[in-house]
Amino acid sequence: GESVGLHLPTLSVQEGDNSIINCAYSNSASDYFIWYKQESGKGPQFIIDIRSNMDKRQGQRVTVLLNKTVKHLSLQIAATQPGDSAVYFCAENMGGPGGGNKLTFGTGTQLKVEL
Amino acid sequence: SQTIHQWPATLVQPVGSPLSLECTVEGTSNPNLYWYRQAAGRGLQLLFYSVGIGQISSEVPQNLSASRPQDRQFILSSKKLLLSDSGFYLCAWIAGGRDTGELFFGEGSRLTVL
Repeated sequence: GESVGLHLPTLSVQEGDNSIINCAYSNSASDYFIWYKQESGKGPQFIIDIRSNMDKRQGQRVTVLLNKTVKHLSLQIAATQPGDSAVYFCAENMGGPGGGNKLTFGTGTQLKVEL
Repeated sequence: SQTIHQWPATLVQPVGSPLSLECTVEGTSNPNLYWYRQAAGRGLQLLFYSVGIGQISSEVPQNLSASRPQDRQFILSSKKLLLSDSGFYLCAWIAGGRDTGELFFGEGSRLTVL
């Protein structure tokens, strides 16, 4: 089974509000997590990543929080826009060839932005 | 700049027929290459990855196989398709040797097995 999973399959937010997408992982040895965005009919796109030596990392309108104690991470999107509507995946780098690039993806959360 | 191409974009095949999906990457050398499958409403399942020509690692036992005949070419095949093979197949690459999770995905190939 997958070691990375999401709490909610669908999240609806009003345009302009902040969105929070949650993700849980089970492998306490995991040290690298990534968030991807997938628009309908397209391949996923990298959003932001975080390593276990950090609790928080910020990008443009996005923030990822990592709580290693409870093995939980979240993606926060500020001032959600219609273009943010997509499926969001958290992924865990399980290690592999070339420096550790074998990603395990969660089920995904569908973010719907209401006007 | 680097680009990744997958084809065909859409495919409808009968059960028991063969399959060949192709992926090529341009603008980079010696990439790590990946095949993922995404069932409807599900996450991405890693099927195969490759760190070099002729080097294939299989993640899930099934009736699919992968080959890498050239540095920037990755092929997913099956001799006899099953209904359960239906899904959205995604090829991805990353620069070899880099410790990063930033995979670059292709646009995907949607396979329907009838």
